[in-house]
Amino acid sequence: DAKTTQPTSMDCAEGRAANLPCNHSTISGNEYVYWYRQIHSQGPQYIIHGLKNNETNEMASLIITEDRKSSTLILPHATLRDTAVYYCIGRGGGSQGNLIFGKGTKLSVKP
Amino acid sequence: GAVVSQHPSWVICKSGTSVKIECRSLDFQATTMFWYRQFPKQSLMLMATSNEGSKATYEQGVEKDKFLINHASLTLSTLTVTSAHPEDSSFYICSASGGRTTDTQYFGPGTRLTVL
Repeated sequence: DAKTTQPTSMDCAEGRAANLPCNHSTISGNEYVYWYRQIHSQGPQYIIHGLKNNETNEMASLIITEDRKSSTLILPHATLRDTAVYYCIGRGGGSQGNLIFGKGTKLSVKP
Repeated sequence: GAVVSQHPSWVICKSGTSVKIECRSLDFQATTMFWYRQFPKQSLMLMATSNEGSKATYEQGVEKDKFLINHASLTLSTLTVTSAHPEDSSFYICSASGGRTTDTQYFGPGTRLTVL
């Protein structure tokens, strides 16, 4: 599974878009990019995933660069409840599709 | 999204006793379930992977005789921490997926274990 690199922390103003970057330069052709988030003392929550094309759902948008070496998770209108640690994970090549969690990005949404 | 539950949400036990944690997929059949452990201020660490009806596969460094995993049905997996010690105190989280490597994993809310 691809190693991913994310900034340690980010701040975002409430109501503004939060753009969370992730580098995954070693990702292989069959590995998906998954995003989860973990609010304090809870289990991780699935957000979105993609392979090559950009994806959008009710929670967020995922923009993957053409060379697939990086991606950006976009929360279009951040709220205080979006404060969490966001994990970007490359998945697909490992045994049974294991998720390997890195340190993630601590997003703080401020009023 | 799919719903995964865990029970109990928190447990306190005495050193030397065993504790069982249940993980259930409520609205889908979970061919594969995963167990993670998370220490304070650290990320999730995968402990083991289990497929329904098969023995679990443990990650390196995880004692299979201490952390007993049973995945007897497509909706239930249990983790038993045997002879628990204070160093086993942690946040235990399960996840479940349909079984294909590309199936999304959905996580339970976690179980906080404190061993006195």
